[in-house]
Amino acid sequence: AQSVAQPEDQVNVAEGNPLTVKCTYSVSGNPYLFWYVQYPNRGLQFLLKYITGDNLVKGSYGFEAEFNKSQTSFHLKKPSALVSDSALYFCATRGGWGKFQFGAGTQVVVTP
Amino acid sequence: DGGITQSPKYLFRKEGQNVTLSCEQNLNHDAMYWYRQDPGQGLRLIYYSQIVNDFQKGDIAEGYSVSREKKESFPLTVTSAQKNPTAFYLCATKDRNEETQYFGPGTRLLVL
Repeated sequence: AQSVAQPEDQVNVAEGNPLTVKCTYSVSGNPYLFWYVQYPNRGLQFLLKYITGDNLVKGSYGFEAEFNKSQTSFHLKKPSALVSDSALYFCATRGGWGKFQFGAGTQVVVTP
Repeated sequence: DGGITQSPKYLFRKEGQNVTLSCEQNLNHDAMYWYRQDPGQGLRLIYYSQIVNDFQKGDIAEGYSVSREKKESFPLTVTSAQKNPTAFYLCATKDRNEETQYFGPGTRLLVL
């Protein structure tokens, strides 16, 4: 079965510092991996995806993610966090029939 | 969000009542999905539909029903058999030629 895990419930970072949100995956075959962001009482917004190709994937709002096959990880990163990046972040993987499996989510808190 | 609308934004259900959540899309996407979001549990798949007049159960279908009579619409009914319906419900769509799911703004269901 396809699954992802987000080991941190919350990440705290000061504005201007680098932000990393961790995700590990357990997938048979080639992984399809995604990152989404959710602001309070809103739907999920797509940030980026890894299907194939370069291990460093660039996405929206200055976010990027690094696919690491040996460590089965797909961590989300941003070089300099903004207060407006405070939100709930979800990692996901695609299984059969286009079905997604989501991680439990990581709350990011960026303090001024 | 974009071309996916969900209504109402808030919905109140009385004991023993069936309620229907609307999901409409103008993206011409073939696949549609319903998820339930509870705090700390990520998103769980309720039902999905790959094509008009066809749908399959997801991981937590009990107490829910759907229909897919039109490509644009995928309504979800929360029946009285669902004993713990309080949650945030998210609809998503996917184009057949793409891997990414796109989400609507969500409906919050509360029990009176």
